[in-house]
Amino acid sequence: AQSVTQPDIHITVSEGASLELRCNYSYGATPYLFWYVQSPGQGLQLLLKYFSGDTLVQGIKGFEAEFKRSQSSFNLRKPSVHWSDAAEYFCAVGGGFKTIFGAGTRLFVKA
Amino acid sequence: ETGVTQTPRHLVMGMTNKKSLKCEQHLGHNAMYWYKQSAKKPLELMFVYSLEERVENNSVPSRFSPECPNSSHLFLHLHTLQPEDSALYLCASSQDRRQGGDEQFFGPGTRLTVL
Repeated sequence: AQSVTQPDIHITVSEGASLELRCNYSYGATPYLFWYVQSPGQGLQLLLKYFSGDTLVQGIKGFEAEFKRSQSSFNLRKPSVHWSDAAEYFCAVGGGFKTIFGAGTRLFVKA
Repeated sequence: ETGVTQTPRHLVMGMTNKKSLKCEQHLGHNAMYWYKQSAKKPLELMFVYSLEERVENNSVPSRFSPECPNSSHLFLHLHTLQPEDSALYLCASSQDRRQGGDEQFFGPGTRLTVL
């Protein structure tokens, strides 16, 4: 069965520190992979997506993600976190009608 | 501006009321979605429309009734709701690729409270 797992319910990092949010997926074919961000009181916004090609994908707001087929992972990274990055982050696989979302990881940023 | 708008942003209703949520997309997409987002639970897909035809219904209670009069507008009609229906209701749209690969564009949501 297709699924997405985000192992961390919440993560706290200091402002200026690096960030990595984990995502593991189970999918029958070559996956379409996405990361979305949701700020408080808002809908989800696409950060980046992977369809094929280069396994390191650049997104908006300084985020990047790396697709590792051997580990079935698509982890999101940012070298230096800003206080405005505090939000909930969702990994998703599939796209369109077939989108499956992970449960989300809440990011807290401390000064 | 995401190109997907939702009204109202907040709604408080009693269990016997009837209300409707509205979603409008300005992106020229052909597919629209309703999601329910409850605290500490994953996003729940409720309904999917493609070119105004409902293509997926994930066993949602009949007290939720969707309507899609055209590819730009989507409604969710609510009646005799329960307190556990209190949640953030998100509308989304995508280009419409049934085999996947489409990113979705989300509205800001309607925060619904059922008393």
